[in-house]
Amino acid sequence: DGGITQSPKYLFRKEGQNVTLSCEQNLNHDAMYWYRQDPGQGLRLIYYSQIVNDFQKGDIAEGYSVSREKKESFPLTVTSAQKNPTAFYLCASHRAANTGELFFGEGSRLTVL
Amino acid sequence: GQQVMQIPQYQHVQEGEDFTTYCNSSTTLSNIQWYKQRPGGHPVFLIQLVKSGEVKKQKRLTFQFGEAKKNSSLHITATQTTDVGTYFCAGQGLYGGATNKLIFGTGTLLAVQP
Repeated sequence: DGGITQSPKYLFRKEGQNVTLSCEQNLNHDAMYWYRQDPGQGLRLIYYSQIVNDFQKGDIAEGYSVSREKKESFPLTVTSAQKNPTAFYLCASHRAANTGELFFGEGSRLTVL
Repeated sequence: GQQVMQIPQYQHVQEGEDFTTYCNSSTTLSNIQWYKQRPGGHPVFLIQLVKSGEVKKQKRLTFQFGEAKKNSSLHITATQTTDVGTYFCAGQGLYGGATNKLIFGTGTLLAVQP
């Protein structure tokens, strides 16, 4: 079955530690996105990538980094510079950049203690 | 920058009552999408509206896109407990090419009491 796989589902980390969230898709989609969701709020775009080896900052990129070395993979690193990292992180993909339906992974819930 | 507002933030209804959520953009949109997120789940695509004044139906759900392409609504007739979740609209700006991103509304959380 095609889809987006995010791991881990739940992650606990101490303050000051970097963490990397995995996102893998087998939909053969070109565009991939990372969103952050806080309770009672909408989805805010962190980073997006339209093609391999290229990515752009979204609205709240500070304290985050990404890479896109393979079409299938778009990992997100939450660095120690991110001041309030506790949130629900969603990875998504489009067949082509900003075209039609956005497919989401099941999300990763990060809690920083 | 483009902003998408959604009201109400929260709605509690008795099963069988109707429900409506409204989405308003600060700029004209090329299209608008609607997503549903069940509690503890991830957003799932419901529909996309493209044409001015467009109305689409999916069983008990009716979606409308305003004539000016700046607002949209989702109406659920005779709610059921399976309708529980947060409904998001997401608008795409009129201008721009491949880099034109979807802007999500803040969402409406629907609670349905049996």
